[in-house]
Amino acid sequence: AQSVAQPEDQVNVAEGNPLTVKCTYSVSGNPYLFWYVQYPNRGLQFLLKYITGDNLVKGSYGFEAEFNKSQTSFHLKKPSALVSDSALYFCAVRAYRDNYGQNFVFGPGTRLSVLP
Amino acid sequence: NAGVTQTPKFQVLKTGQSMTLQCAQDMNHEYMSWYRQDPGMGLRLIHYSVGAGITDQGEVPNGYNVSRSTTEDFPLRLLSAAPSQTSVYFCASTVDDSGANVLTFGAGSRLTVL
Repeated sequence: AQSVAQPEDQVNVAEGNPLTVKCTYSVSGNPYLFWYVQYPNRGLQFLLKYITGDNLVKGSYGFEAEFNKSQTSFHLKKPSALVSDSALYFCAVRAYRDNYGQNFVFGPGTRLSVLP
Repeated sequence: NAGVTQTPKFQVLKTGQSMTLQCAQDMNHEYMSWYRQDPGMGLRLIHYSVGAGITDQGEVPNGYNVSRSTTEDFPLRLLSAAPSQTSVYFCASTVDDSGANVLTFGAGSRLTVL
């Protein structure tokens, strides 16, 4: 069965510092990996995805993520955090060529707080 | 182009009442799904549909019913509301079910069952 872990409930970082939000996954076969962000009282918005190719994926708002197959990780990163990056971040996985029954599996979410 | 529209945004029900959460998309997406979001548990899939007339259960389907009579609409019905169904519900859609496609989410419906 597919699963996603986000080991940190909360990440605090000072504005201007680099940030990392961690994600590890378990899936049979090759994974499709996603990061979504949720701002207060809003739906989830897509940030970036890994399908295949370069292990470093660049996405919206200056975010990037590094896929590491041996560690089954897909950590979200940003070189310089902004206060406006404060939000809830979700990692999600989908198995390549799975049947319809498996679908997307989301992690529990990590709340990022960027302090001015 | 409104994307995915959910109504109502907020609803309070008494135990045993029934209601329908509406979801509509105007992007001609084949795949639509309903998730519930609970603190510390991420999003859990309730039901999904890969096209008009085709629906299937997700991870937590009990107490919910869906139908897909048109490509645009995918309502979620609570048959007899229970306090355990207090949650925030999100509808999402995507172009197809190949796996690599990005989900577009609605703004959410916050449901409280007393």
